[in-house]
Formats: sequence, structure tokens, C-alpha cells
Amino acid sequence: ETGVTQTPRHLVMGMTNKKSLKCEQHLGHNAMYWYKQSAKKPLELMFVYSLEERVENNSVPSRFSPECPNSSHLFLHLHTLQPEDSALYLCASSPTSLVRTDTQYFGPGTRLTVL
Amino acid sequence: AQKITQTQPGMFVQEKEAVTLDCTYDTSDQSYGLFWYKQPSSGEMIFLIYQGSYDEQNATEGRYSLNFQKARKSANLVISASQLGDSAMYFCAMREPWGNKLSFGAGTTVTVRA
Repeated sequence: ETGVTQTPRHLVMGMTNKKSLKCEQHLGHNAMYWYKQSAKKPLELMFVYSLEERVENNSVPSRFSPECPNSSHLFLHLHTLQPEDSALYLCASSPTSLVRTDTQYFGPGTRLTVL
Repeated sequence: AQKITQTQPGMFVQEKEAVTLDCTYDTSDQSYGLFWYKQPSSGEMIFLIYQGSYDEQNATEGRYSLNFQKARKSANLVISASQLGDSAMYFCAMREPWGNKLSFGAGTTVTVRA
């Protein structure tokens, strides 16, 4: 299944680095999401984009900056991260962001380690 | 407040046997959707099955079925004829009406033994 792809799959960065995570969906969906999955914690929704417009931002620190240039691409720009930001970052897409029946399809994730 | 509860952190099941994964949820809405996802060690979250709150019949998808008991607010996943490839983490999730948020449970790790 290659409906949602994420690059890179693994990333190690220092606290002063700037890096970006990329997500691309090939499903023709209009909504895209960023989730954070830390060890021993449920998945946390970070951002939601619908038709390239941010519709939800769940109190995420400003060191995480999302960008959605079009409905197929979603980026997460990272700068001055902390070691506690080390986690698996998952991207997802769904047909819309409004309908309860819409299934979210996930990418393989980027495993981020902050040193 | 936590809305999805998965009480089984880990389970072992013999190959070819069935296994039931528990999920209870909390919502005051009448309209909602329930999802199950599988996450192998590779990390990808794979959609398995969906149950709508107004669906009268339990959802089924191949070897996966959902035992939906609305009054008890439970949505247990049943995996029949377990295979070694079923070894993974399984997450129950709920989506409330007209919302963007999919709330996940803590997950259950399933290990299938040969």
C-alpha cells in the first residue's frame, strides 16, 4: 500500500538543527493530518489541514511548523527541538475532515530522534 | 479526558485460533464512528475495520469482525484464524460527529505463536 508516503523514514537531529518531514498522499483526499506517537502514550493529533487550510492546531509548540502547499503534500518543519520530541511522526489523509465515516489512511511514519 | 480504553496491554494467541481485543469508549454523542487499526513493528498504521454508531449490523472485513455493543459502549475486535503476520499492535479509535479528531486508545500488543 503506497497511498500515503513519508520521507525520511528515520531522522536523527541535534537540538539546534532545522529539518523537515514530508508527506505525500496519492489517494485524492482533501484532508491531511500530523500525529505524534511517543512511547507508552496514545497517538496525539498535532495538526489538521482541509483543502490546504489549517483547521486544527492542538496546542503544539511553535518549534513544530506545518505547511500544506496543496492537497497532496504536507510538511512538518522542525527547529530547535528537545529530546522529548523524539517520537514516531505519522501522517494521515482522509477524503474530508468533516464526516465521521471518513477513514484516515496513514503513512509509514518518520522515526525522529533528537540528541 | 480519555475516551477510548483498551484494557489489555498484551495478548498471546496460538496460530489458527481466534482472539478478541477489548475496546470501550466514552461519548455523549449519538453519532460517532469507531475504527480499528493495526500497527506492525514497521510503524505504519493499517486501517482494518469501521463501525458507525447507527449501523445495526456488526462490521466484518475478511478475518476481522467487530462486536459492537452500543448500550455497553464497547467495540471489540475479533480476529479469526490468527496468522503469524497478525502479530502487531492494535489500536481502537473513535471519531465524533463533525470533528477533525480521531481519538486513539493505548493499544493492545498481539503476539501469535506457531
